[in-house]
Formats: sequence, C-alpha cells, structure tokens
Amino acid sequence: DVKVTQSSRYLVKRTGEKVFLECVQDMDHENMFWYRQDPGLGLRLIYFSYDVKMKEKGDIPEGYSVSREKKERFSLILESASTNQTSMYLCASSRPWGAYEQYFGPGTRLTVT
Amino acid sequence: LAKTTQPISMDSYEGQEVNITCSHNNIATNDYITWYQQFPSQGPRFIIQGYKTKVTNEVASLFIPADRKSSTLSLPRVSLSDTAVYYCLVGDNNDYKLSFGAGTTVTVRA
Repeated sequence: DVKVTQSSRYLVKRTGEKVFLECVQDMDHENMFWYRQDPGLGLRLIYFSYDVKMKEKGDIPEGYSVSREKKERFSLILESASTNQTSMYLCASSRPWGAYEQYFGPGTRLTVT
Repeated sequence: LAKTTQPISMDSYEGQEVNITCSHNNIATNDYITWYQQFPSQGPRFIIQGYKTKVTNEVASLFIPADRKSSTLSLPRVSLSDTAVYYCLVGDNNDYKLSFGAGTTVTVRA
C-alpha cells in the first residue's frame, strides 16, 4: 500500500512565524502535491512537483513556497504565517502518468493565531 | 477540466446498495473518471477509476455508459463505516490539476 505521511496532525503557530510542513511518501512516486482544504471551497492546489527540485505553482501559491530536495520528501513552507492560512493541509503523491490516482496523507490541521 | 454534477447528499441504511450518479456532459476523449472517498479529518482516498463500461474492485463498482456523459459509483451492502464524502473527478491523467467539488455526502444509518 502507498503510504504518505505528514509530520504533524495538528499544529498551532503564531502570526508571523515561519512554518514547515513535511510530507514523505514511500512508493517512489515522481509527482507530489500540496493542497489546502477549507469548508465550502473544496481542495485547492497550492504547489505541484514532478521531480526533485522541480515545482509548479497551483491555484493558490501566494504566501507559500515548497522544497523538494529528495524524491520522497516534499515540504511546504509558510514564510510568515497569517490567520487566513488557518486550514487543513493535505499532501499527495502519484505516478507520473496517473495524476488522477493520487494518494493522500492524513492532513495537518494548522491554526494560526 | 470537465465539469461534473453529483448529488449533494444521500442517505442509506446498512446492508443496502448505494448508487451515486455523476454527470459529465463535456467529457473529453482522453479523460478518465475517478472517484475518491473522504472520511472526516482525513485526506481523500482514491477508490476507483475507469474509462468505459464497467470497472470493479474490492471496494466499489463503476458503471460508465457508452456515451460516457455520466457514470455511477456503486457501493454494495454499505455499512456505517461507509459514511463519507464521495467525489467524482473527470480529467486527463496527465493533467495534475484535480478539481474536487463539493462531493456527495453519503450517510449510512443503522
């Protein structure tokens, strides 16, 4: 079974802090994704990576950056957390030809106060 | 991305079969039909994908008519643990931008 793990299930940070969310997958997938999920807005893609050190912006990249130094690890960085970044953050991975067959992690519930 | 329409919610009882129909009138030739399941406080889980006719796995069946303008996810003999939100997605497997709509909230009662 594909396993995607995220570093924290719950996280509370203060406004202005730098926040790191880590995601690791164990299936040697090329593609990795970061989403946020908010009530009424569904899942929105923040960033996508198709290879080590490669990234593409999703629909809502503002206020976020990403890092992919190793194939299995994809990090989401909030440079200066703000209250409107309070959300559920979901990481996913997939094979290069199977973008619609994504495997999601359990999510990180981030609260910025 | 093809637009999809599915019911907002469905209620069922344990042991019944649940069928969720998704409409996708503007599906393109290269598009696949994919269904995800999401439990509260968890990430979505891929459950089934198909292109045409019928696909079955250990979790569900997916029925796709010849014109592919709709599809039906069938959950046999549901249990309380099948209570979740079910999303229908349509798109090319090379297009990484998925579009999760509101989904269908399925509530299974005892």
